[in-house]
Amino acid sequence: GAGVSQSPSNKVTEKGKDVELRCDPISGHTALYWYRQSLGQGLEFLIYFQGNSAPDKSGLPSDRFSAERTGGSVSTLTIQRTQQEDSAVYLCASSLSSGGPTQADTQYFGPGTRLTVL
Amino acid sequence: QKEVEQDPGPLSVPEGAIVSLNCTYSNSAFQYFMWYRQYSRKGPELLMYTYSSGNKEDGRFTAQVDKSSKYISLFIRDSQPSDSATYLCAMSRWTGNQFYFGTGTSLTVIP
Repeated sequence: GAGVSQSPSNKVTEKGKDVELRCDPISGHTALYWYRQSLGQGLEFLIYFQGNSAPDKSGLPSDRFSAERTGGSVSTLTIQRTQQEDSAVYLCASSLSSGGPTQADTQYFGPGTRLTVL
Repeated sequence: QKEVEQDPGPLSVPEGAIVSLNCTYSNSAFQYFMWYRQYSRKGPELLMYTYSSGNKEDGRFTAQVDKSSKYISLFIRDSQPSDSATYLCAMSRWTGNQFYFGTGTSLTVIP
């Protein structure tokens, strides 16, 4: 079926506003990741969901960032009180399973949401 | 020190050239090594996957891992303009689910 989809593709917001970014993973994929990609910084891991387990939030940069995954499918990344340094491309990826980082756990990425905080 | 270091380039080569892309890493626990290709305004897509040391070939692409030197390479033979993209290396430990990415190398293949 379709790949990972993300919305919106672009988001421009004012400093201090809250934003919500959405990710629709590939159907049947139990693992879901959020990354942030800034110019010259590579992909920065933010948060990871696996099935019904508690998410790995170790990459979230501050308490302004949160994410949830409802029904084991769609995920929303929320950034509260946005700052200019939050401007980046936010990428979502999903994989079939994650008992460990094997080839079966190949991550499929969405096209990303480009966030600009003015 | 970053977990993974990658020269950002940019790298510009003529069509048909052999391209060598490299990453170094500091964590000896990394066992899985990947190369992703990312076209402009798109998400990364998996290009090559290697477990532990050695070489892996897929068409014009060869991935090489030298764990003793903590160094991985991606070679592209007979490069094509369609290979123009950013190439990111990534790696992971045996346990845990966190992937560590390089910053990416921007490649342009000139016709």
